[in-house]
Amino acid sequence: GENVEQHPSTLSVQEGDSAVIKCTYSDSASNYFPWYKQELGKGPQLIIDIRSNVGEKKDQRIAVTLNKTAKHFSLHITETQPEDSAVYFCAASIGRGSTLGRLYFGRGTQLTVWP
Amino acid sequence: NAGVTQTPKFRILKIGQSMTLQCAQDMNHNYMYWYRQDPGMGLKLIYYSVGAGITDKGEVPNGYNVSRSTTEDFPLRLELAAPSQTSVYFCASSPPGQGWTYNEQFFGPGTRLTVL
Repeated sequence: GENVEQHPSTLSVQEGDSAVIKCTYSDSASNYFPWYKQELGKGPQLIIDIRSNVGEKKDQRIAVTLNKTAKHFSLHITETQPEDSAVYFCAASIGRGSTLGRLYFGRGTQLTVWP
Repeated sequence: NAGVTQTPKFRILKIGQSMTLQCAQDMNHNYMYWYRQDPGMGLKLIYYSVGAGITDKGEVPNGYNVSRSTTEDFPLRLELAAPSQTSVYFCASSPPGQGWTYNEQFFGPGTRLTVL
C-alpha cells in the first residue's frame, strides 16, 4: 500500500511568521492529497486539498504545492495566528480499484503558534 | 444536520470484554470509514463501506468487525478486547466521487477507548 511520510513532527513559530509542513508519498498512482487540521479533542477537519492535475492551490492564508515527479507535497500557512495551533495531517489516496477513496495518512505535525 | 456522531465518547474495557462503537451520519453519504489514531502514528483505516451491505478491510482490521445494514449507521464491534486496542477511534463519511474525483471525508468527534 501507500506510505506517507510527514515532517516535521513538531513546529513552533511566532505569530505572523510562515509555517511549512512537508509530506512525501511512495505510490505514483496517488492522485488526491488532502490536508486535515485536528484541534484538541476533536476529529480531523479538511482545510485544503489538491489533485494530481494541479501543481498549486491557495485558499486565503493557506496553500498547498504538489511535485508529482519528486512525489512530495507541502502545506504553507502564512501570517500564522494562535488559532492555527493544532495537529496537521497530510494524506494521499490511490485512485484505482478496491483502494478507491481510501486515505493513507502521515503521522501528523503539532504546530504551535506563539503570540 | 448533526453530521457524524459517535457514541460513547469515552469507555474503559477490561481485557476480554466486547463492545460496539456506534457511528451515525445524517448527510446521506454512501461511504463510511473507521479509523484508529494512536499517539504519533496518524490515522490508520480499520474498515470501510461503500454502501449498505458492503464492507471491506482497511490496513488494520484484526480484532474488529463491522456491519452496514443502513446508509446512516456503521457500528464497529470489538470482540475480546486487548490492550493493543487502546486508542482513539474516529468514524468518517463521504459522498461518493465521480469517476476519479474524491470528496471530503467528514469526521466524527471520536471515541477514546482504554483496555486494561
